[in-house]
Amino acid sequence: KNEVEQSPQNLTAQEGEFITINCSYSVGISALHWLQQHPGGGIVSLFMLSSGKKKHGRLIATINIQEKHSSLHITASHPRDSAVYICAACEETSGSRLTFGEGTQLTVNP
Amino acid sequence: DSGVTQTPKHLITATGQRVTLRCSPRSGDLSVYWYQQSLDQGLQFLIQYYNGEERAKGNILERFSAQQFPDLHSELNLSSLELGDSALYFCASSGPDRGTRATNEKLFFGSGTQLSVL
Repeated sequence: KNEVEQSPQNLTAQEGEFITINCSYSVGISALHWLQQHPGGGIVSLFMLSSGKKKHGRLIATINIQEKHSSLHITASHPRDSAVYICAACEETSGSRLTFGEGTQLTVNP
Repeated sequence: DSGVTQTPKHLITATGQRVTLRCSPRSGDLSVYWYQQSLDQGLQFLIQYYNGEERAKGNILERFSAQQFPDLHSELNLSSLELGDSALYFCASSGPDRGTRATNEKLFFGSGTQLSVL
């Protein structure tokens, strides 16, 4: 069992739909990161969370420390949101080491 | 533009060779992280440097080494290359460390170096 698991692995949506990507982890963490990887390969950090909820534009990230679960929501999805979304956990005991989920390939069709 | 510069963008080499990947962090960032992304293993943390010193080590092979220089740029050296080392290598940087957990800072990624070992 991976320490960080994401679901679904692949997600296809129609433009305008509300999207949720889930991330579960099995270790104690000090922070959880959500990353976006564009089709060209570049990676952008979307959020870094240690508790609660963060919002940036149409993106919302939440984390429940007790349940060891985080979600990334995209409201009013758009084809330009098509990318791979990756969650990464920073373990409490490992300092700066990140453990990555396998990623969720999101495709938003017009 | 993240402000993190990686060179070269592409590198093609042969088995047994040695290569050096370079990373310049965002201005003011003290931490540099190296990651490897391969098709079969996904993204993996290799190593972190903070202000010139090694801070954390991940799944980095003994054939690989890294350092961070006084001007804060970092180099990742890969030697005795094997076919399986073909991957996308990213570096990232983050801001001044307020404690021991530097990865509680948001990360800024370079565009990566695509290494192909033939």
